[in-house]
Amino acid sequence: GEDVEQSLFLSVREGDSSVINCTYTDSSSTYLYWYKQEPGAGLQLLTYIFSNMDMKQDQRLTVLLNKKDKHLSLRIADTQTGDSAIYFCAEWQTGANNLFFGTGTRLTVIP
Amino acid sequence: DAGVTQSPTHLIKTRGQQVTLRCSPKSGHDTVSWYQQALGQGPQFIFQYYEEEERQRGNFPDRFSGHQFPNYSSELNVNALLLGDSALYLCASSLGEDGDYGYTFGSGTRLTVV
Repeated sequence: GEDVEQSLFLSVREGDSSVINCTYTDSSSTYLYWYKQEPGAGLQLLTYIFSNMDMKQDQRLTVLLNKKDKHLSLRIADTQTGDSAIYFCAEWQTGANNLFFGTGTRLTVIP
Repeated sequence: DAGVTQSPTHLIKTRGQQVTLRCSPKSGHDTVSWYQQALGQGPQFIFQYYEEEERQRGNFPDRFSGHQFPNYSSELNVNALLLGDSALYLCASSLGEDGDYGYTFGSGTRLTVV
């Protein structure tokens, strides 16, 4: 699989919005995903977006997709301390027929 | 409704030994994929099992092998363990080979090789 890139760290104050960015590689990706990983735990699927959509909103989460630039972002509104975790962007690569992950962004929420 | 269950949760092995990790998929799922997550890294795809066959494989040596049983559960075997095999091993299940709606992940098995 090709590289899916994310910035490593993000710190925000409680109540602010967080924006986590991702650049993916496979222009034929059908689905793109955001997963959350808390310390010592597995991966929790937060949300996903189909490649023919530009935006998807789910409660405090907003996903934006720019297919031209292969850029995906996750916005978390009203960020809480419980949102502190590592967030992984993942793309479904149709050639490999499997899911490929970025390196993860560690979000720290400051009370 | 049980999600994906993995066993054991933690394991310590000596270099050169062999290890078997186990995974039961979420109820209703028939496909199992295995991932290796080294410390500070994203998960790396090892292989996928569907209909008791290995369908896709990532860039991992033959020391990594697996199996899927008729009840869809799966095992990951690693032979001749190296220190670099120390990682969190994650199992993910889905319905069908195409994970269009995302995989459900287990909590993982943390393997430490000493």
